[in-house]
Amino acid sequence: EAQVTQNPRYLITVTGKKLTVTCSQNMNHEYMSWYRQDPGLGLRQIYYSMNVEVTDKGDVPEGYKVSRKEKRNFPLILESPSPNQTSLYFCASGGGSGQPQHFGDGTRLSIL
Amino acid sequence: QKEVEQDPGPLSVPEGAIVSLNCTYSNSAFQYFMWYRQYSRKGPELLMYTYSSGNKEDGRFTAQVDKSSKYISLFIRDSQPSDSATYLCAMDRGSTLGRLYFGRGTQLTVWP
Repeated sequence: EAQVTQNPRYLITVTGKKLTVTCSQNMNHEYMSWYRQDPGLGLRQIYYSMNVEVTDKGDVPEGYKVSRKEKRNFPLILESPSPNQTSLYFCASGGGSGQPQHFGDGTRLSIL
Repeated sequence: QKEVEQDPGPLSVPEGAIVSLNCTYSNSAFQYFMWYRQYSRKGPELLMYTYSSGNKEDGRFTAQVDKSSKYISLFIRDSQPSDSATYLCAMDRGSTLGRLYFGRGTQLTVWP
């Protein structure tokens, strides 16, 4: 079954404590993205990756890092989380040249 | 002006009604048009995917694209309570960058 798997699904943590949200896909897609979804603002792209070792900023990259060392995995790193990063995060796989993206089920982060 | 505009609703209809969801956009470069359905606590799920202008039908769902008016629609016939979700439109220029532009989503409730 084609899947985009995110972990953890829920996390409550404190300001400044580094965290990583993992994302894995089994569809052999080259393109992967991270989004955050906030009420009234919709989905906003944080970072994207067109292939292994190729990443670039989306609309709201401040405070986030990503890496793409292998095709199937695209972790999102918050080095020093702050309360304004409390949000619902989605990893997506696929896309580029008009192809649709496929989303994971989300990670709800609360930064206290 | 946001590149993709979508009325957030909420929209509430009785079971069996025909539902019309719409988005307008400002960028004439958009070539690919998608509708995603998002249930509570889940990620967006691709519902319809069309290229350029025209209609596409899939069961009870019909997607329409009018590029001359920069207007896209999703029609749901014989709506069911299981259609209750948030519907997001998304658009892509078709470049290798793979940037998707999302509407903010319309919340739909179908009551029995």
